[in-house]
Amino acid sequence: AQKITQTQPGMFVQEKEAVTLDCTYDTSDPSYGLFWYKQPSSGEMIFLIYQGSYDQQNATEGRYSLNFQKARKSANLVISASQLGDSAMYFCAMRPHLGSASKIIFGSGTRLSIRP
Amino acid sequence: GAVVSQHPSWVICKSGTSVKIECRSLDFQATTMFWYRQFPKQSLMLMATSNEGSKATYEQGVEKDKFLINHASLTLSTLTVTSAHPEDSSFYICSARDHRKTGNTEAFFGQGTRLTVV
Repeated sequence: AQKITQTQPGMFVQEKEAVTLDCTYDTSDPSYGLFWYKQPSSGEMIFLIYQGSYDQQNATEGRYSLNFQKARKSANLVISASQLGDSAMYFCAMRPHLGSASKIIFGSGTRLSIRP
Repeated sequence: GAVVSQHPSWVICKSGTSVKIECRSLDFQATTMFWYRQFPKQSLMLMATSNEGSKATYEQGVEKDKFLINHASLTLSTLTVTSAHPEDSSFYICSARDHRKTGNTEAFFGQGTRLTVV
C-alpha cells in the first residue's frame, strides 16, 4: 500500500530560522516522485519542490531543499531563513507511478507558523 | 508554470440543488485531471480521476451518481454535485498535468471551490 506520513500537525518557528518538516512514505513501486506543496489560507496549492526516486542529488529550489533519504523512505522539506509569508499548511505528496494518469496522494499536512 | 483555472471559487446553494464546478487547463492539454475534496484542517482526498473522452475513475467510497464528472475536451473537466446536502459542503480542488510531458512532473492545481450547502 502507498502511504505518506507527516507526524508534525503543527510547528512554530522564529522568523529567519531554518525549519525542517518531516515526511516519510511507503511504496513498493521502484519509480516514484515526491512533492511538497504549500497551501496558504486562500486554499490554493502551490508547488514547491520535486524529487525523483532515481535522482542522485537532493532537490533544491531557492530557500527550499528536500532531504531525500531513500533507504529510510524519508523526504523532509527544509526551509532556510524562514519568513512570515511562509506561514501556511505544507503537504508532502507522492506519485507512485510514472505516467500522466497516475495520481498523487497526500500526507495529512503540517501547519507551519512563523513568529516575528 | 502551467495554469489551471477553476470556477467558481466559491458557491452557496440550497439543499437538493445541483452545482457544477469547472476545471480548465489554460496553456496546456490534459488527458487526465484529478478531483480532490478537502474538509477543514484535513488533507486532500482524491475523489476521482477524470479521463478525456471516457468515463471517470472513482475512488472507493465516492458515489459516482452523486459526483458526476465530465471531461469532454483536453482542456476542460467538470464536477457536478447532484442533489447537494449540507454534508457535501467542502473545498473541492482539481489538478491537471501536461500530457505531453514525460516523467514524474508536478501537477498544477486550480484555485479550489468552496461549496456551502444550506
